[in-house]
Amino acid sequence: GQQVMQIPQYQHVQEGEDFTTYCNSSTTLSNIQWYKQRPGGHPVFLIQLVKSGEVKKQKRLTFQFGEAKKNSSLHITATQTTDVGTYFCAGRRNQAGTALIFGKGTTLSVSS
Amino acid sequence: NAGVTQTPKFQVLKTGQSMTLQCAQDMNHEYMSWYRQDPGMGLRLIHYSVGAGITDQGEVPNGYNVSRSTTEDFPLRLLSAAPSQTSVYFCASSYDTTSGNTIYFGEGSWLTVV
Repeated sequence: GQQVMQIPQYQHVQEGEDFTTYCNSSTTLSNIQWYKQRPGGHPVFLIQLVKSGEVKKQKRLTFQFGEAKKNSSLHITATQTTDVGTYFCAGRRNQAGTALIFGKGTTLSVSS
Repeated sequence: NAGVTQTPKFQVLKTGQSMTLQCAQDMNHEYMSWYRQDPGMGLRLIHYSVGAGITDQGEVPNGYNVSRSTTEDFPLRLLSAAPSQTSVYFCASSYDTTSGNTIYFGEGSWLTVV
């Protein structure tokens, strides 16, 4: 079945350092979505990438979708303590009715 | 502004008991799903539905049943609870499964089976 792998599982950084999490799928994806879950909270949608090679930015966050539409990354520049949480990627195959499959997530901790 | 509503928020069950986690959405979404979240395992799909009357299994369906008699509701039933089902459960919905539709999550249900 479809698998979505995410690395690293955990990352600790000092405030101000950059952070990147990577997502790889075993199959070509129709789109990829990124979610953030704060400790004790529920996942909240951040962004969706659809086109091959697409790059989108949200303030200090940069999201990329690979040319082959099988991998993606989220990069945070100059992390802040508010960035703490778990970041999930989620992908769906090129088929209508296919469920969204989540990666295991990357948990980011930031020390000031 | 209810969105996706899950109940109960917390529940303790004894092994062998049955219970139903309720999920309702008021956004007229066709797609609904249940995930469980365990430490180090991320979000694992239990069951999902692409519309009323249609359900399908996800990655970890064993021990759980679902039904989708209406567009709004998607209850998750634990037939005979086991300690391995101790987890946080999230219900989620989206308009449909095509590109461009984001998933909205409920606030979660914390279940402990003793």
